[in-house]
Amino acid sequence: DSGVTQTPKHLITATGQRVTLRCSPRSGDLSVYWYQQSLDQGLQFLIQYYNGEERAKGNILERFSAQQFPDLHSELNLSSLELGDSALYFCASSVTSGRSNEQFFGPGTRLTVL
Amino acid sequence: GENVEQHPSTLSVQEGDSAVIKCTYSDSASNYFPWYKQELGKGPQLIIDIRSNVGEKKDQRIAVTLNKTAKHFSLHITETQPEDSAVYFCAASPMDSNYQLIWGAGTKLIIKP
Repeated sequence: DSGVTQTPKHLITATGQRVTLRCSPRSGDLSVYWYQQSLDQGLQFLIQYYNGEERAKGNILERFSAQQFPDLHSELNLSSLELGDSALYFCASSVTSGRSNEQFFGPGTRLTVL
Repeated sequence: GENVEQHPSTLSVQEGDSAVIKCTYSDSASNYFPWYKQELGKGPQLIIDIRSNVGEKKDQRIAVTLNKTAKHFSLHITETQPEDSAVYFCAASPMDSNYQLIWGAGTKLIIKP
C-alpha cells in the first residue's frame, strides 16, 4: 500500500458526460501528479500540482482540468468525454524535497466511456 | 526537452536467466534515473534508482548502471523468478523540472517457467 488513495476504482459513463476523479496523497506529500495510461500503453503525464498551485503541465487536453485543495487532495475533471478517454488514470504524490524524487502511485481509476 | 527511449518493448526470458532493459535519455542535465515496476492491475512502484554521481547501484537481484557519457542507463535482473513478470518503466528527471519525471514507454517482462 503506497498510502495514496484514489476514488472511485471504476467508472463507467457515456460519451459527452463529465466525471471527477479524486486523489488523496500520502501524508506530508505536497506534490500531486496525474497520469493517463491507455490499454497496453505507457504513462502519459497530464499535470502536476505543488501545495495547491499548478507546477507543470504535460499532454493534458483542454477538456481536462485539475485542482489541488488546501487539504492537499486533488481532483481531475474530465468533460465532454470521448471513447478515446477510456483509460486508467493514476495519481501519484511525492515529498518533492532536495533528496527525493520518488513518486508514490495510487491504485488508479479505470474509466470506461461507452 | 528531455526524451527517454526504452528498449525492448517486450522481453521474454527463461526463469533463472538474467534480463536487461535499456534506456537512453537526451538531456545531459538529467540527474536522477528511477526504475518502476507495474504489476497487473496496480500502480507503478519504485524498485531502484540512481543519481548521476553514481555509476552502478545494486539491491539483491536487481541492479542499475548509468553511463553519463553515452546517456544511457540499464536495469539488470538476475536469477529471474515468476514474480518478476511485470511492466518496467524507466524515467529521467531533468534538474530544472520541478521533480517531474520523463518516462520511457515501458517493457513487458515475461518470465517463462
